[in-house]
Amino acid sequence: DAGVIQSPRHEVTEMGQEVTLRCKPISGHNSLFWYRQTMMRGLELLIYFNNNVPIDDSGMPEDRFSAKMPNASFSTLKIQPSEPRDSAVYFCASSFRGQPNEKLFFGSGTQLSVL
Amino acid sequence: SQKIEQNSEALNIQEGKTATLTCNYTNYSPAYLQWYRQDPGRGPVFLLLIRENEKEKRKERLKVTFDTTLKQSLFHITASQPADSATYLCAPRGSSNTGKLIFGQGTTLQVKP
Repeated sequence: DAGVIQSPRHEVTEMGQEVTLRCKPISGHNSLFWYRQTMMRGLELLIYFNNNVPIDDSGMPEDRFSAKMPNASFSTLKIQPSEPRDSAVYFCASSFRGQPNEKLFFGSGTQLSVL
Repeated sequence: SQKIEQNSEALNIQEGKTATLTCNYTNYSPAYLQWYRQDPGRGPVFLLLIRENEKEKRKERLKVTFDTTLKQSLFHITASQPADSATYLCAPRGSSNTGKLIFGQGTTLQVKP
């Protein structure tokens, strides 16, 4: 299995631009998570989906952030408009809900820099 | 609110010694607790899971303890090696939630040869 695939690996954009991050979870997994990581705040959960349905989006910082999961093999996290404080590494993770260990598998992350 | 605390300062130890990392939590009643390892530029990788009815779990040179009275988990690496240098994150998970997994800030371990 290729693991969780995220794209792009790096994204540099200017303030005010729209940014779209993409994630392909591991085939067969039914839960998907979006996290954001910074030195100051560590790894923060933004939103997670179960069977393609958003379950908890309480971590989404504000209305500029939105996430979708149109099918079991694809999810996007969009920031519009982007701001410099959005600069961080964004991770996508997937798991199989219901498995006894239910461990998360993370992608390599997208390093976002908003200038 | 739920809070997870890990040593924010880096832990520096000599190769061959035992490293001990701490994870404390408040306002939680986790059914189990997971530990992950994160290397620079990579996503976290699952290491171990310990359940609330388990006092201790071992995997090769790793040992995890879970004290629900103290609300604390300890993560030990025996005979540490420079390759063990990384950031280690704990993640307690309650039995009542629907899958949400919150992580501590992580502790960076540096093993010197």
